[in-house]
Amino acid sequence: GENVEQHPSTLSVQEGDSAVIKCTYSDSASNYFPWYKQELGKRPQLIIDIRSNVGEKKDQRIAVTLNKTAKHFSLHITETQPEDSAVYFCAAGSNYQLIWGAGTKLIIKP
Amino acid sequence: EPEVTQTPSHQVTQMGQEVILRCVPISNHLYFYWYRQILGQKVEFLVSFYNNEISEKSEIFDDQFSVERPDGSNFTLKIRSTKLEDSAMYFCASGGGSYEQYFGPGTRLTVT
Repeated sequence: GENVEQHPSTLSVQEGDSAVIKCTYSDSASNYFPWYKQELGKRPQLIIDIRSNVGEKKDQRIAVTLNKTAKHFSLHITETQPEDSAVYFCAAGSNYQLIWGAGTKLIIKP
Repeated sequence: EPEVTQTPSHQVTQMGQEVILRCVPISNHLYFYWYRQILGQKVEFLVSFYNNEISEKSEIFDDQFSVERPDGSNFTLKIRSTKLEDSAMYFCASGGGSYEQYFGPGTRLTVT
């Protein structure tokens, strides 16, 4: 079945540095790739997304890139801040179904 | 800003009992979803619902599960005979048709 692999499972970066999280997916029919941020005990919150007709999208300190040929997409966070600490999930799918990665715990060291 | 709401926030039930989890999606949304997340694990897709019928469902969503949109505002998930392994956080989400899905705060289901 469809599968989404996410790496790394834990990422620790110095405040101010950049963080990169990578995902690969298996279903070539996937056309929608969102990223969610989940703080402890809270709901997942959509932070950025990209569709299959776009290669890159940026929103302030956050950017996402998509390589459809290789079936992988990445989240880039620049100038990391303490409030960026959370678990980040990638997902792949369509309007009807999203398959999620296992999550990356991002730790921002002061 | 409108949000998805869910009730109850925490439900404790005994194995074998039926539970109904309730969600009120964002009012002009057309797509509705249920997900679950076992503590410390990833979010798992259960089912999507559009135009008053199920669009997709996962292997987890077996005959013990059902969904309903009984009126114009509520969207419910029923588990007929709960098992210990059904213990998880259940999230409802809704979308307006442009792919984005917005999550509710979740219902923590504990099966004893």
